[in-house]
Amino acid sequence: QVQLQESGPGLVKPSETLSLTCTVSGGSISSYYWSWIRQPAGKGLEWIGRIYTSGSTNYNPSLKSRVTMSVDTSKNQFSLKLSSVTAADTAVYYCAREIVGATGDYFDYWGQGTLVTVSS
Amino acid sequence: DIQMTQSPSSLSASVGDRVTITCRASHDISKFLNWYQQKPGKAPKLLIYDASNLERGVPSRFSGGGSGTEFTFTINSLQPEDIATYYCQQHDDLRTFGQGTKLEI
Repeated sequence: QVQLQESGPGLVKPSETLSLTCTVSGGSISSYYWSWIRQPAGKGLEWIGRIYTSGSTNYNPSLKSRVTMSVDTSKNQFSLKLSSVTAADTAVYYCAREIVGATGDYFDYWGQGTLVTVSS
Repeated sequence: DIQMTQSPSSLSASVGDRVTITCRASHDISKFLNWYQQKPGKAPKLLIYDASNLERGVPSRFSGGGSGTEFTFTINSLQPEDIATYYCQQHDDLRTFGQGTKLEI
């Protein structure tokens, strides 16, 4: 059973960079797309972007200028960096695996989510 | 960017009811539409992929339909455990979620 676990600081100061890592266990990180999705309290889901294990990325245009994703296949991890954060970036951040192929394209495994608060 | 609009935003129903949620895309997305269920404090769970395909292990009372710009998600014979927020998500161009429909009994 594949499991994803987010980790990183729960509190980030305004204007600083939010950094999160997702560790994948129970399966290989290779040959899949891996996404970050966030959800402000009481609000809907926002797709931040994704990375393939080759390092190829796609980002949400609304966040693209501030987002960097990376992958470390040796550690079965992928990471998110979001720069110049403000209170509007306060949210639960999820990592998720995306199946992309002839049988469908969807998020099948998710982490439990980690709350990141932006505050001084 | 493709925008996804769900309606209604919230819905109150009774056990045994048939419930339908609509999702509209700002552009033609063919069948590239998924539906997720999210319960409080939990990650979303895939229910339907590519508009009408039921994910393995998901009860058959859940179904989806539509193509192009208009899609529907239906729960036949609502059960108490179906209380959740439901989201549509397009995967035709990048990825976008609808704003969600909160289902209450």
